[in-house]
Amino acid sequence: DGGITQSPKYLFRKEGQNVTLSCEQNLNHDAMYWYRQDPGQGLRLIYYSQIVNDFQKGDIAEGYSVSREKKESFPLTVTSAQKNPTAFYLCASMRRDTGELFFGEGSRLTVL
Amino acid sequence: QQQVKQSPQSLIVQKGGISIINCAYENTAFDYFPWYQQFPGKGPALLIAIRPDVSEKKEGRFTISFNKSAKQFSLHIMDSQPGDSATYFCAALWRSASKIIFGSGTRLSIRP
Repeated sequence: DGGITQSPKYLFRKEGQNVTLSCEQNLNHDAMYWYRQDPGQGLRLIYYSQIVNDFQKGDIAEGYSVSREKKESFPLTVTSAQKNPTAFYLCASMRRDTGELFFGEGSRLTVL
Repeated sequence: QQQVKQSPQSLIVQKGGISIINCAYENTAFDYFPWYQQFPGKGPALLIAIRPDVSEKKEGRFTISFNKSAKQFSLHIMDSQPGDSATYFCAALWRSASKIIFGSGTRLSIRP
């Protein structure tokens, strides 16, 4: 089955620790995205990548970092510099010919 | 110029009624207008989408109406069912740049 796989689904972290969220896709899409969603809120763009070895900051990139070494993988690191990291994180990839975004199931990060 | 304004923020509709969610955009470079549906704890999924050269698109009980001159589009859900209870996001896409802007979301509740 083709799709976006995010892991872990739930993650707990102590303050001051970095944590990396995994995002893998087997859809052969070039563009990938990371969004943050707070309870009852919309989708805020953290980082996006249009091609391997290239990525751009979104609207709320501070305290986050990404890499895009492989087409299939776009991991997100939530660093200790992120002031309020507790949130639901969504990864997506875009099918270029239609513009459709395919989302993963999300990773819920809780900072204790 | 990059914003997509969505209203209402929340909506309660009786079963069998019509649900209407509205969106407005500013940037005329957008060339694709999708609606995404999100259930709690899940990633959003594409529901229906329209191109700006079409004024209306219907898929089952879901219809997009598009007004290019007013730069507005709306989602109509006919014969609304409890299973339609979800958060709906409109979006505007600039396909050549793989750039997508989301509205703030509408939480729809269908009362039995």
